[in-house]
Amino acid sequence: GDSVTQMEGPVTLSEEAFLTINCTYTATGYPSLFWYVQYPGEGLQLLLKATKADDKGSNKGFEATYRKETTSFHLEKGSVQVSDSAVYFCARPGAGSYQLTFGKGTKLSVIP
Amino acid sequence: NAGVTQTPKFQVLKTGQSMTLQCAQDMNHEYMSWYRQDPGMGLRLIHYSVGAGITDQGEVPNGYNVSRSTTEDFPLRLLSAAPSQTSVYFCASSYSTGRYGYTFGSGTRLTVV
Repeated sequence: GDSVTQMEGPVTLSEEAFLTINCTYTATGYPSLFWYVQYPGEGLQLLLKATKADDKGSNKGFEATYRKETTSFHLEKGSVQVSDSAVYFCARPGAGSYQLTFGKGTKLSVIP
Repeated sequence: NAGVTQTPKFQVLKTGQSMTLQCAQDMNHEYMSWYRQDPGMGLRLIHYSVGAGITDQGEVPNGYNVSRSTTEDFPLRLLSAAPSQTSVYFCASSYSTGRYGYTFGSGTRLTVV
């Protein structure tokens, strides 16, 4: 079935370090792909999205490129800040496209 | 502010009690869903709705009931609470199919003792 696999972490980085969080998906067609972020004690916020192959989503310094050759949508940021500490979820529409299928989340901690 | 509103934010129930988690959105979204979030499990779909009067089961529907009498509201009912239902519950809505992403509420943290 439709699924998303992401590195589970936790990931601990120093401020200004480069971040990559890997995400791969099963390919039934070319679904939209999403990254959500959950800050401590809060709900999920849409961080960025890509709706077709080769699209690049970007927001708040984060980027992810929809690569159909490798069925991947890795999240990257060139220089992380303490305020980026959160849990990041990769997601895609599930069967019937009415709901989202999530990865298990990657907890990022950025230390000064 | 426009968005998805969930109430209550926190709730403690005794085993066997019933309750309703409320969810309302003011964006005229057709699609609404309920997820539960558990450590190490990510988010799992409980129930969803594609419009008023239409609901369907998700991945983990047992012990929960939903209805959708209006576009705005999508309450989740726990029929007889069990400790296994201790979780954080999120309601989400979307304008169309999942193609453009969902807007999430801030969650309800439920503890069943």
